[in-house]
Amino acid sequence: DQQVKQNSPSLSVQEGRISILNCDYTNSMFDYFLWYKKYPAEGPTFLISISSIKDKNEDGRFTVFLNKSAKHLSLHIVPSQPGDSAVYFCAASGSTSYGKLTFGQGTILTVHP
Amino acid sequence: NAGVMQNPRHLVRRRGQEARLRCSPMKGHSHVYWYRQLPEEGLKFMVYLQKENIIDESGMPKERFSAEFPKEGPSILRIQQVVRGDSAAYFCASSPQGNNEQFFGPGTRLTVL
Repeated sequence: DQQVKQNSPSLSVQEGRISILNCDYTNSMFDYFLWYKKYPAEGPTFLISISSIKDKNEDGRFTVFLNKSAKHLSLHIVPSQPGDSAVYFCAASGSTSYGKLTFGQGTILTVHP
Repeated sequence: NAGVMQNPRHLVRRRGQEARLRCSPMKGHSHVYWYRQLPEEGLKFMVYLQKENIIDESGMPKERFSAEFPKEGPSILRIQQVVRGDSAAYFCASSPQGNNEQFFGPGTRLTVL
């Protein structure tokens, strides 16, 4: 039962353009969402998060949007840079789950110079 | 401030042997999470521990797997009688308060021959 889904296995974007990564979830108990970035042979690195009381959170080039009614979140990267090329995971947790994170399958982002 | 440390980074075992994976959380963090990433998949929660206590082991296989986080020393994930299906990357994360702010280690890549 895949409670967090990233339906696009990969995304290719030109440097300077916007990258939009999408994530859907099914568990209505999830109330906190995170995006992690992962390079090969390294652990995930936290990027940005959003609580369900908000619909948008911004940090520099990264913005996360949350649509609770659609159970959908997205990560926008503007402008995209070649160093952003990595695997991006969205993750979700519920207030009763002690911080246990449920991850999507990941999207491979490639930013071309 | 050193990040989350995991060792070994790579571990090769033959079927039937035992694997011991170690995780030292960030300084000041007393909450540890273990996740497993199978090839081509996202990270899957295994277990959440505080010092000397298992809080949530809902993601742990019922047999052969165990975890501990003693009062002194690192957290240990132990896999007895390994099988080929145990081959995966095992990630440890720590947090200061048992919440969503989890910092990941570089992972241990287990290969079972």
